[in-house]
Amino acid sequence: DAMVIQNPRYQVTQFGKPVTLSCSQTLNHNVMYWYQQKSSQAPKLLFHYYDKDFNNEADTPDNFQSRRPNTSFCFLDIRSPGLGDAAMYLCATSSGGARGTQYFGPGTRLLVL
Amino acid sequence: SQQGEEDPQALSIQEGENATMNCSYKTSINNLQWYRQNSGRGLVHLILIRSNEREKHSGRLRVTLDTSKKSSSLLITASRAADTASYFCAMEYGNKLVFGAGTILRVKS
Repeated sequence: DAMVIQNPRYQVTQFGKPVTLSCSQTLNHNVMYWYQQKSSQAPKLLFHYYDKDFNNEADTPDNFQSRRPNTSFCFLDIRSPGLGDAAMYLCATSSGGARGTQYFGPGTRLLVL
Repeated sequence: SQQGEEDPQALSIQEGENATMNCSYKTSINNLQWYRQNSGRGLVHLILIRSNEREKHSGRLRVTLDTSKKSSSLLITASRAADTASYFCAMEYGNKLVFGAGTILRVKS
C-alpha cells in the first residue's frame, strides 16, 4: 500500500547532540511537510518542500533544518536539541493540487535527555 | 495568527450518542478539513469541505461550513468506542494547513 513511513518511531537523544529524523513516501507526492506536535497541542508546521523548493515557516527556530534529496525522502535535522524540542514530529505529504488532503506518517516521538 | 479555535476542548459521551465539535477561524480559506488522531499516532484525514460548499457527508460524519461566520462543525452520529480520539479542524491556505487546537472525544461503552 502507498504510504508515508517515518523512522524511527521513537528517538532518544542527549541535550545538544544532533539528531536526524527521516520520512519516506511511496505516494509520489510533490509536497512534503514536517510538523512538530507537543503534548495536547495542535500540530505546528515547521517547513515544507514543494518539489525542491524549500519553504520555512517564519517562527521555525534555526536549530531545525531539512533536506529533501529526492521525491521520496525528506529529513529533519535538529542541530542542537534542547529539552523544549521533545515532541512528536510528524511528516506529511500532499499532491499539491487543489484537493489539499495531507497524508501523515505515524510520527517520531523525540525524547531529549 | 491564522490558527483556528475548537470547542469543546474535551467531550465525553456514551456509545450511540452523537458528538458535535465546532471550529472557528479568522481569515478566508480555500477549504477546511477535519482530521482524527488516535493517541500517539499520526493524523488521518476524515473529510474536506470547500469554501463554496455548505454541508458534506461521509458515512456517520456530517460537516457544515458557514463562511460568513468563519465556522465549521463536525457531527459524528451513533458514536462508537472506536471513535475515541482527538479531532482537529485544519484550514487550508495555499499549500499549507493550519490546525485548530483540537477536541478530545471519549466514547464510553
